[in-house]
Amino acid sequence: QQQVKQSPQSLIVQKGGISIINCAYENTAFDYFPWYQQFPGKGPALLIAIRPDVSEKKEGRFTISFNKSAKQFSLHIMDSQPGDSATYFCAARSGYALNFGKGTSLLVTP
Amino acid sequence: EAGVTQFPSHSVIEKGQTVTLRCDPISGHDNLYWYRRVMGKEIKFLLHFVKESKQDESGMPNNRFLAERTGGTYSTLKVQPAELEDSGVYFCASSQDWGAGELFFGEGSRLTVL
Repeated sequence: QQQVKQSPQSLIVQKGGISIINCAYENTAFDYFPWYQQFPGKGPALLIAIRPDVSEKKEGRFTISFNKSAKQFSLHIMDSQPGDSATYFCAARSGYALNFGKGTSLLVTP
Repeated sequence: EAGVTQFPSHSVIEKGQTVTLRCDPISGHDNLYWYRRVMGKEIKFLLHFVKESKQDESGMPNNRFLAERTGGTYSTLKVQPAELEDSGVYFCASSQDWGAGELFFGEGSRLTVL
């Protein structure tokens, strides 16, 4: 049973555009919501994270929007660059475990 | 500072054989985790060590999987006997303090069972 649902599966954005990836969850016990970025041949690396008492967090071009009542959160990448092309995973923590979405493959075209 | 290192990077074995994956966490990180990504599926939690103790092994799929962390340093994950459905990428991660949130992942060990 998948605990975090992520969409879209893949995304193509032009350089300078906004990339938006969405995630939804059901378990209200989740207490931490990170986004991980993975490049081919590498392991996932923490990009940005939010806790449920905050509705938005911004770090540079990356913003998490969090809607606790809707049990949804999203990643916005502003001014997307070709170097942002990677797979992005949302996750939600319960206890000691991170529950990951299936990932979004982002391609930013020049 | 060295990151999380995993060995081997890729292993191809036949069904019924045994494979042992190794993970060296970042020095000083007491928390060590194993995750697995089967093709087309999400990355799934397998287990969590604090030092040498298993804190949570609720994600281990069955008793063909055995994880150890002797001495609280490196960890091994043994699959015996391997089945076709065990194919995937096995990630190890470590953290200094699990409550703080950030996990540092290794590059993964890809296991192919034929």
